[in-house]
Amino acid sequence: AQTVTQSQPEMSVQEAETVTLSCTYDTSESDYYLFWYKQPPSRQMILVIRQEAYKQQNATENRFSVNFQKAAKSFSLKISDSQLGDAAMYFCALSNTGNQFYFGTGTSLTVIP
Amino acid sequence: GAVVSQHPSWVICKSGTSVKIECRSLDFQATTMFWYRQFPKQSLMLMATSNEGSKATYEQGVEKDKFLINHASLTLSTLTVTSAHPEDSSFYICSAVSPGGLNTIYFGEGSWLTVV
Repeated sequence: AQTVTQSQPEMSVQEAETVTLSCTYDTSESDYYLFWYKQPPSRQMILVIRQEAYKQQNATENRFSVNFQKAAKSFSLKISDSQLGDAAMYFCALSNTGNQFYFGTGTSLTVIP
Repeated sequence: GAVVSQHPSWVICKSGTSVKIECRSLDFQATTMFWYRQFPKQSLMLMATSNEGSKATYEQGVEKDKFLINHASLTLSTLTVTSAHPEDSSFYICSAVSPGGLNTIYFGEGSWLTVV
């Protein structure tokens, strides 16, 4: 079974500052992928960043980066230079080779001007 | 533009009726699509895997006779909520896997269902 846990229901950050969203997971699969998705009020799921479990190097996408700790089964998202447009619900997700996604409960991010 | 399109975006139906939601891949053929359900302020829960030309695979706890899934073509999967009840009111989202594999999974825009 796959589980994804996000322990921070809500987070806030000052504009231009850095914030880290936490995520832990559990899976019995040896081959899997991890994702962070952003869901604005429109409800459209927007891919922020992804990480292949077999890669040791942490993924980076512009202002977004992850800290992937495979042994600890931890996958946190760091948002640097936060912008007002970053405000949204953020979901951590795990996907196995079957392409099914298992989502965490989400973290609502508020960006304070 | 949207690569995966859902229709309708929102629908209101009466209790006891059935309602169909469509998920279309616009630019590619998808042998596999997925249906998720999201209650307000909650996470997305995988309901079922829709396989073209075969029966859908349902997650534990999802009633297959209530949530009928048909994947009759490589670009269309439909979710029919039969004998809808108010507790079925939710946001339903589909995703589709393009031939490029895991790196190319696209989510639809979602469909709001309200049962009155």
